[in-house]
Amino acid sequence: QVQLVESGGGVVQPGGSLRLSCAASGFTLSTYAMHWIRQAPGKGLEWVAFIRFDGTKKFYVDAVKGRFTISRDDSKNTLYLQMNSLRTEDTAVYYCANPTVVTPGTAYWGQGTLVTVSS
Amino acid sequence: DVVMTQSPLSLPVTLGQPASISCRSSQSLVYSDGNTYLIWFQQRPGQSPRRLIYKVSNRDSGVPDRFSGSGSGTDFTLKISRVEAEDVGVYYCMQDTHWPFTFGPGTKVDIK
Repeated sequence: QVQLVESGGGVVQPGGSLRLSCAASGFTLSTYAMHWIRQAPGKGLEWVAFIRFDGTKKFYVDAVKGRFTISRDDSKNTLYLQMNSLRTEDTAVYYCANPTVVTPGTAYWGQGTLVTVSS
Repeated sequence: DVVMTQSPLSLPVTLGQPASISCRSSQSLVYSDGNTYLIWFQQRPGQSPRRLIYKVSNRDSGVPDRFSGSGSGTDFTLKISRVEAEDVGVYYCMQDTHWPFTFGPGTKVDIK
């Protein structure tokens, strides 16, 4: 059974750091381009970061450039999002997903992990 | 950045009746390979999003055939032929042609 399980969320003060993890089971992460997408409380979806299937390209939304880093550990089949210099506006549920795959039935989402940035 | 707009933002529907959501982009979503990368997601209350449609009109496995996507260039539509109770939720379009990828604001579908 395919699963993506995010972890690492929590409450952090402005300026702090967190590292989110997304453990995959039932499929190999390096087969797909992977994304982090976030959703502020009661708001819509916002695309945050992308890593190409082979890890050679990474892209970020302007709001997180220079502060967030997406990476992957193929030996652990796990995706990461290192978040530094966190701001209150980064408060959101963070999802890992591979929504852009062009094969039917192979687009997966995790359950999300909540990051709250507050003093 | 490509701005995605959706209308309506709220859509009360009658069970068994059709529903239609429009999604427009601020620039063409045709990629250099000739494909158009426009995705539709459903987010039921309290759940993670789920992809319904990719590349404008390709339905995902397990998605009921009452859902269909159409459109081209900058103008796209998601149609539900006969709304069922399980279709309640928020529907988002997302373009994955241009960086950064961007979502529409969402259309909330509920039952009248």
